[in-house]
Amino acid sequence: EMQLVESGGGLVQPGRSLRLSCEASGFTFDDYGMHWVRQAPGKGLEWVSGINWSSTSRGYANSVRGRFTISRDNAQKSLYLQMNRVTTEDTALYYCTKDFGSSADWYFDLWGRGTLVLVSS
Amino acid sequence: EFVLTQSPATLSLSPGARATLSCRASRSLDSTYLAWYQQKPGQAPRLLIYRTSYRASGIPDRFSGSGSGTDFTLTISGLEPADFAVYYCHQYGDSPPYTFGQGTKLEIK
Repeated sequence: EMQLVESGGGLVQPGRSLRLSCEASGFTFDDYGMHWVRQAPGKGLEWVSGINWSSTSRGYANSVRGRFTISRDNAQKSLYLQMNRVTTEDTALYYCTKDFGSSADWYFDLWGRGTLVLVSS
Repeated sequence: EFVLTQSPATLSLSPGARATLSCRASRSLDSTYLAWYQQKPGQAPRLLIYRTSYRASGIPDRFSGSGSGTDFTLTISGLEPADFAVYYCHQYGDSPPYTFGQGTKLEIK
């Protein structure tokens, strides 16, 4: 069974850092692009960042560019999101998603259950 | 950056009815690059439709997608209780950032 399991969320103070992780199983991880999508409490979905299979191409939402960094370790079948200088606007449930293709520019055909990030002093 | 506008924000219908959900793009979008997702309370979104009209694996044929240019539609025929949820359209391809519509909540009347 294909599965994505996120971890690393929690309470963090504004201006601090946090690293999210996503562990994949049930599919050939290094064949696919991956993404992070977030959902603020009671709000809609927002694409945050994506990375292709080989880590040679990465994209970011304007709201996080320069603060967040996406990365992956294909040997560990894991995806990461390094979140720096967080603000209260970053409070959300963060989903790890699998891209249909390898280049991280297709639709998301598998979603994890999410990890909650709460930014508060 | 594409802006996707969904309407209506809330749709109240009875089981057995037909639901028509709209997604309008801020500029013309290749129909290859439009998807729909369903999200139920407390759950992650689930892929329903990709490339405007292709159903994802396991999605019943009462769900259908159509559209071109700037106007796209998700139609659900013969609503069942499990269909009442929030639906999001999503544009991908081209170049990032990729965007979602703000969602349409389909509720039981």
